[in-house]
Amino acid sequence: GQQLNQSPQSMFIQEGEDVSMNCTSSSIFNTWLWYKQDPGEGPVLLIALYKAGELTSNGRLTAQFGITRKDSFLNISASIPSDVGIYFCAGQRNNAGNMLTFGGGTRLMVKP
Amino acid sequence: DVKVTQSSRYLVKRTGEKVFLECVQDMDHENMFWYRQDPGLGLRLIYFSYDVKMKEKGDIPEGYSVSREKKERFSLILESASTNQTSMYLCASRRRGRIEQFFGPGTRLTVL
Repeated sequence: GQQLNQSPQSMFIQEGEDVSMNCTSSSIFNTWLWYKQDPGEGPVLLIALYKAGELTSNGRLTAQFGITRKDSFLNISASIPSDVGIYFCAGQRNNAGNMLTFGGGTRLMVKP
Repeated sequence: DVKVTQSSRYLVKRTGEKVFLECVQDMDHENMFWYRQDPGLGLRLIYFSYDVKMKEKGDIPEGYSVSREKKERFSLILESASTNQTSMYLCASRRRGRIEQFFGPGTRLTVL
């Protein structure tokens, strides 16, 4: 079953607002990835995190690898309409043979 | 850029039909994956392949089979489609030893 709890499930925000979402688990992860899926498309990798405590930015996006290795956070600053989509976290667990476990996704809607 | 293509964006089939979903990647990746995506459940792994002619079951293989006769092509087969297999199907590929997976645009399958 799904081992990554991603929240919130959906968000409806005003353009210009900042956004925060997170993924948590009871298991320890070695790597965290954040993907974005545009409507009607496949997920595209946004940020990859490889070390506990790591903070990485990609433009207006910032992601952090939680110090406990059981969670990760994604923040989007000054949201714009093209940020609309579903954001997925994915983690690679210890002894999982490089396989990824995916969160349930956060659907982001931005009101212009 | 990695390009993963899927043979159909939308497909409508009848219960009991045999369905083939095709995926092709052009970056010489060794590993390929098939996922299904359902609202709130994220991406669930159906089957994956480490290399040509090799396949491993994922989390939800029941009702599916796969074929990997060539390195660039990974096919998902629904032997006898059922309505509970209505879903979005995503193919992904990855270079051996790497974590990041690259996704195709998805095939939205409806089984009537």
